Amino acid sequence: NAGVTQTPKFQVLKTGQSMTLQCAQDMNHNSMYWYRQDPGMGLRLIYYSASEGTTDKGEVPNGYNVSRLNKREFSLRLESAAPSQTSVYFCASSEGGKGNTIYFGEGSWLTVV
Amino acid sequence: GQQLNQSPQSMFIQEGEDVSMNCTSSSIFNTWLWYKQDPGEGPVLLIALYKAGELTSNGRLTAQFGITRKDSFLNISASIPSDVGIYFCAGQLPGSGNTGKLIFGQGTTLQVKP
Repeated sequence: NAGVTQTPKFQVLKTGQSMTLQCAQDMNHNSMYWYRQDPGMGLRLIYYSASEGTTDKGEVPNGYNVSRLNKREFSLRLESAAPSQTSVYFCASSEGGKGNTIYFGEGSWLTVV
Repeated sequence: GQQLNQSPQSMFIQEGEDVSMNCTSSSIFNTWLWYKQDPGEGPVLLIALYKAGELTSNGRLTAQFGITRKDSFLNISASIPSDVGIYFCAGQLPGSGNTGKLIFGQGTTLQVKP
């Protein structure tokens, strides 16, 4: 009963390095999301994918790229990490549509030094 | 962008007390959700509300979708130490279509003293 799984759990990067956060869901959901969580800021949407083959920008997309590899997987890439991207990243999925509920992964703690 | 104002920002209460928190917005929402986040974990859905005026309970938790569709509250009765965590409200805007995008409040941090 995995739900939404994301890797890695923890990562330390140097400024300018690149990395990809991986996410997979086993609930056959149409929509997938990447959020970041910062103290006092709640959860802010980075990118989302309403269905396989589509991606759209959220509230804070700058510095990130995403790829909806298939219905199960949605990856988030930092091409050139910056200290401002130090955050906790959550992948999530949902069936989509009105009356939607979103289910979250356990989070990835990223530190950029 | 759209914002949800969640209050209070934090609460420190005695075990057994009741708790109330709320979210308000200047925008109308067609879904309200309440999540709880434990330290080191992702948010977990507590209650989902889909209609204006809807009142829903989940054990000691009760939440309501405001009549104006611009607010929601969450009540926790007879708090216990395991209620500790961060509580988030989230809303889905009309017109977000099939995306399922949510707007999140800033969170209420709850601490319970045994």
